[in-house]
Amino acid sequence: AQRVTQPEKLLSVFKGAPVELKCNYSYSGSPELFWYVQYSRQRLQLLLRHISRESIKGFTADLNKGETSFHLKKPFAQEEDSAMYYCALSGRGGSEKLVFGKGTKLTVNP
Amino acid sequence: NAGVTQTPKFQVLKTGQSMTLQCAQDMNHEYMSWYRQDPGMGLRLIHYSVGAGITDQGEVPNGYNVSRSTTEDFPLRLLSAAPSQTSVYFCASRTGDRARGQYFGPGTRLTVT
Repeated sequence: AQRVTQPEKLLSVFKGAPVELKCNYSYSGSPELFWYVQYSRQRLQLLLRHISRESIKGFTADLNKGETSFHLKKPFAQEEDSAMYYCALSGRGGSEKLVFGKGTKLTVNP
Repeated sequence: NAGVTQTPKFQVLKTGQSMTLQCAQDMNHEYMSWYRQDPGMGLRLIHYSVGAGITDQGEVPNGYNVSRSTTEDFPLRLLSAAPSQTSVYFCASRTGDRARGQYFGPGTRLTVT
């Protein structure tokens, strides 16, 4: 079964501080992992996908298969990073089903 | 491109009423999905479609029907609304490359009294 766990419902940091949003997953095959972000009054949008190994808005995420984690990191948080962040998993080569974690609300204080 | 559009934005229903949530996309995406978002639950997949004429159930399909007669449209029907269906509903679409992620609509906030 596919499962995504985001252990922190709420995360609060100060501007300029590093931030890490945790995501752990459970999946027996090779997963495709994503981070989605929902800013206030905006629609959910894709932030990162592990397969591209990219950095978007200063955020990076590395897939650690040994620890089954896909944590989202940013070295210096900005106030505009305040949003809901969702980690999501899709199994390769099979089901269309995209499983989401319950989300972490990040607040970056001035 | 308008992307993924949903109507209505808000809806209040009485228990037992039926209604259809509309979803359309103008990106020629094959894959479309419906999710519901409940507080503390994240997003859960209701139904999805891999192309016109093909639909399948997601994680929480009971009480909902879908059809896909065209590539562009993917309506979600509530057959007999129940208070447990009070939620925010999101439609999403994607290309054939799943690794590119999904495009989401703005959502429909539904309240069933």
